[in-house]
Amino acid sequence: EVQLVESGGGLVQPGGSLRLSCAASGFKFSTYSMNWVRQAPGKGLEWIVYTSSSTTTTFYADSVRGRFTVSRDNAKNSLYLQMNSLRDEDTAVYYCARDEQWLVRSVFYYAMDVWGQGTTVTVSS
Amino acid sequence: EIVLTQSPGTLSLSPGERATLSCRASQSLNSNFLAWYQQRPGQAPRLLIFGASNRATDIPDRFSGSGSGTDFTLTIGRLEPEDCAVYYCQHYGSSYRPFGGGTKVEIK
Repeated sequence: EVQLVESGGGLVQPGGSLRLSCAASGFKFSTYSMNWVRQAPGKGLEWIVYTSSSTTTTFYADSVRGRFTVSRDNAKNSLYLQMNSLRDEDTAVYYCARDEQWLVRSVFYYAMDVWGQGTTVTVSS
Repeated sequence: EIVLTQSPGTLSLSPGERATLSCRASQSLNSNFLAWYQQRPGQAPRLLIFGASNRATDIPDRFSGSGSGTDFTLTIGRLEPEDCAVYYCQHYGSSYRPFGGGTKVEIK
């Protein structure tokens, strides 16, 4: 079964740090680009990070650039998100999501086709 | 950076009715890079549509997507109780992947 399982969430004070993990199984993790998406309480989805299969290409949303760092260990089938200088507004459920591409009639399409169940990060004093 | 605006904010319909959800982009985008997701209460998002009109695996055919340029539509042909959810559109940009604000579908 194709699966993503996030962990590492918890309560942290403003200005603190936290490292999230995403364990992948059921597919060849090393060949897939990955994303982190978050959702603040009662709010919509916010994409925050993309990383290519070998992390040679990474993109960050403006809201986290310079504070969050994505990494991965393909040998361990794991994706990570190091979060520093955390703020109240970083409180959210954090999801990892697989980046898939399809070739249909010579055209490439892209979307996030597998999602984890999320891990909750609460930033509060 | 393209901004996606979804409307209406909430749609309240009865089972069997047709739901039409709109996603409008701030500038024209390639429809190959427009996706729709469903998020049921308490669950992770689920991919419904990629490339504006292609249903993802195991998605019922009552879900359909259309549109081009700046205007995209997700249609749910005959609402069922399990379609109660928030629906998001998303653009796969060159260096960003923004979501729209979402449309909540309520079943009367």
